[in-house]
Amino acid sequence: DADVTQTPRNRITKTGKRIMLECSQTKGHDRMYWYRQDPGLGLRLIYYSFDVKDINKGEISDGYSVSRQAQAKFSLSLESAIPNQTALYFCATSDFAHRAGGNTGELFFGEGSRLTVL
Amino acid sequence: AQSVTQLDSQVPVFEEAPVELRCNYSSSVSVYLFWYVQYPNQGLQLLLKYLSGSTLVKGINGFEAEFNKSQTSFHLRKPSVHISDTAEYFCAVSPGGTSYGKLTFGQGTILTVHP
Repeated sequence: DADVTQTPRNRITKTGKRIMLECSQTKGHDRMYWYRQDPGLGLRLIYYSFDVKDINKGEISDGYSVSRQAQAKFSLSLESAIPNQTALYFCATSDFAHRAGGNTGELFFGEGSRLTVL
Repeated sequence: AQSVTQLDSQVPVFEEAPVELRCNYSSSVSVYLFWYVQYPNQGLQLLLKYLSGSTLVKGINGFEAEFNKSQTSFHLRKPSVHISDTAEYFCAVSPGGTSYGKLTFGQGTILTVHP
């Protein structure tokens, strides 16, 4: 099983609908992130959470909300989807510790959720 | 604030030829630098990272990158590419301190290896 699991992997919806993308991880990491990928724009940070009680806006948070239900779960919601939110969404996790010679904050990504808003 | 610019959106190359994917960054503080690869229909995986120490960093699949602080660059190189290296490559920068891991990504470079 994948360490970082995203559901659904693909979703087509209509303008105005509420959509939730879910992410769960088995890596035991404290930090979780939601990124959006658009062709030619790379990945842009939507929201991030450094622990269960910590939620922070990223570069492009407008139109999105998140919930950190547990250390292992971080969901992204679009309250009223619009066509320009059509994109590939990635969840990622990282371990905070910056230890010489050890795990040093690398991001581990899920396989992505492709969302199409018509 | 930090930013990353990947200077080439697409790089075509023939198999067994060398390749360089260029990345420049800007930041007002010390940064940590990464290269990620995305194969079709997959998530991103880490190729290599620069945190400190030697400026020449070796990663997986024969890739390496050199950190140049004076030129604020972190170019990715491979001396001989394979068809299987066809993918999109992302350069990323992270601040230090408690925000470490909050990456800013470049726009991506699509590497296409032709037979």
